[in-house]
Amino acid sequence: GQNIDQPTEMTATEGAIVQINCTYQTSGFNGLFWYQQHAGEAPTFLSYNVLDGLEEKGRFSSFLSRSKGYSYLLLKELQMKDSASYLCAFYSGAGSYQLTFGKGTKLSVIP
Amino acid sequence: GAVVSQHPSRVICKSGTSVKIECRSLDFQATTMFWYRQFPKQSLMLMATSNEGSKATYEQGVEKDKFLINHASLTLSTLTVTSAHPEDSSFYICSASTGGGAKNIQYFGAGTRLSVL
Repeated sequence: GQNIDQPTEMTATEGAIVQINCTYQTSGFNGLFWYQQHAGEAPTFLSYNVLDGLEEKGRFSSFLSRSKGYSYLLLKELQMKDSASYLCAFYSGAGSYQLTFGKGTKLSVIP
Repeated sequence: GAVVSQHPSRVICKSGTSVKIECRSLDFQATTMFWYRQFPKQSLMLMATSNEGSKATYEQGVEKDKFLINHASLTLSTLTVTSAHPEDSSFYICSASTGGGAKNIQYFGAGTRLSVL
């Protein structure tokens, strides 16, 4: 079956670094996504990993280990506006472009 | 990134009426569009996959006669909630896929908050 797991909530201080972990189980895998979702809004695309390793994009970085079924999103120099839910999602199976989402990690950035 | 427009952003309707939600890809052609529903503090649940020119594929437990999907062109998909009831109140979000290749990224519309009285 398919399963995806991430922490429910996290709190971090403005200016700090925070790492949000995601573990998944699936029989087929075709890429791992991170989206940011502010309350009452639709998700915004942050990153996509299909190969192992770290992808850096400004203050945000995403890491993937396919053998471990593990990914993390790293946010640096946290800002108050980074307070949001962060959704981990994967494509399963070759040619299948349906995303399976985790429940999201609600990040609260405090002064 | 690519832009997906979803309209309306909010709908309040009486029980028994039908509501149509539009999803448009503004700067790219979307062979495939997806419709999700999200309840408070829950994750996005895929309702159906919409392919241009063919019938939508519905997820298990989603009534195709209640949630009518039409993907008439490469830039427009519509979801009609027929005979809406209070339990249909939710946040409905569409996404459109840029299609093809390894970087098949889904971009989301702004969502429609449906409240059925």
